[in-house]
Parts: sequence; structure tokens; C-alpha cells
Amino acid sequence: SYVLTQAPSVSVAPGKTARFTCGGDNIGSKSVNWYQQRPGQAPVLVIYYDSDRPSGIPERFSGSNSGNTATLTISRAEAGDEADYYCQVWDSGSDHPGVVFGGGTKLTVL
Amino acid sequence: QVQLVQSGAEVKKPGASVKVSCKASGYTFTSYDINWVRQATGQGLEWVGWMNPNSGNTGYAQKFQGRVTITRNTSITTAYMELSSLRSGDTAVYYCARGRGGSYRYYFDYWGQGTLVTVSS
Repeated sequence: SYVLTQAPSVSVAPGKTARFTCGGDNIGSKSVNWYQQRPGQAPVLVIYYDSDRPSGIPERFSGSNSGNTATLTISRAEAGDEADYYCQVWDSGSDHPGVVFGGGTKLTVL
Repeated sequence: QVQLVQSGAEVKKPGASVKVSCKASGYTFTSYDINWVRQATGQGLEWVGWMNPNSGNTGYAQKFQGRVTITRNTSITTAYMELSSLRSGDTAVYYCARGRGGSYRYYFDYWGQGTLVTVSS
């Protein structure tokens, strides 16, 4: 089955840029979505179709996808951005197509 | 506004079954898939399966095949996830989520608040 690899943690100073990577075999050929999950809350969609933002998500959140790596970027990081971030794709290549999540990356805003 | 409201926490014994509900409102229930995703304490998100509320068609993650059933009652715009033969490893928060985008470009735009299922003897 398809595997998505995320770093366990990322740290960033307030006002700086945080980058989260999501690695997968030829992930550039897939559509990648990103979710933010604050402690004790349900996940929230922050990026879909690699780089589109749902309404209500700040422009500080952006996404890209190419080759074997998809990236979520948070510009001008704020304390309120502290959360876990998960990437997700649809895996159509296996005998059992379905949704795949990365392991998640915990963001700390120092 | 779109809302997915789930049933309350459950405590079950090993070997039992649990059925969690997800009441949808604020949109046409039959126009979007409902998915179930679970999360054990301190762990990541794990997809369980999906259902098309219009047709009733379902798809399940291989890990849960034979143990999970997703159904719906369109008259009350509610989806259900039933998991059987429960074991301690099934202890988790279970979320329902609205799925859209079609195959290859699938994502979840709204989520329920989560239901804690605890399996303990």
C-alpha cells in the first residue's frame, strides 16, 4: 500500500516560515490535502488539491507538490498555528484503493 | 451551515460491537460521501471507510474488512459505523467526515466532533 512520510516535529519562531514535507513515491502525480489538528479538536482542512485554500483559511497557508515531495508552508507563523499537521491522498494504485494519511507533524511555535 | 454531529462516548467489552452515528445537516445528505476516520490517543489519523449515501455503496480499508459496516438512513440524514469483534486496539476517537472531490482527488471538508470508543474488560 502507499506510504506517506512526514517528519515527527517542526519548530519555528513567531513570524518566521514553517515548512512541512510529505514524502511519497511519485506523489507529484497525486492530489495532496493537508489538515490541521489542534489538541482535543477534530481536524480542519487547510489545503486541498495540492495548493487550494478553503474559505476562511489565511493566505499564510500555501501548498505545493512535485516529484516525490509535497510541501505545506505557513508564513509568518503565529502561536495559534501550533498543532499537528497531516497530509492525505487517495491511493488508487493498490488492490484496495482508499485514503492514506501521513503520520503527522507536530508544529511548535517557540 | 454544514454540521456533522456524532453520538456520545461508548465503553464496550472485548468481543462486543459498537455502532456510532453521525447526523448531517446544512447540506443535501445524498450529494456527498461520508467517511469514518479514527485516532488512537497520541497517534495519527487512520481511515476506516467510506459510503455514498445516495447509492449506499461502501468501501473499507483492508485492515477493517469483515469487521466494519457503514450504513445510512436517508430519511433522518444519519450515517452509522458499526465495528464488531472489538479489541483493546480499537480504543480510539472515531470521526465522521464529509468526503468530496471524486476518485484521485478525494478530501474531507467537514468533520464531526468525534466519538470516543473505549474497549475494556
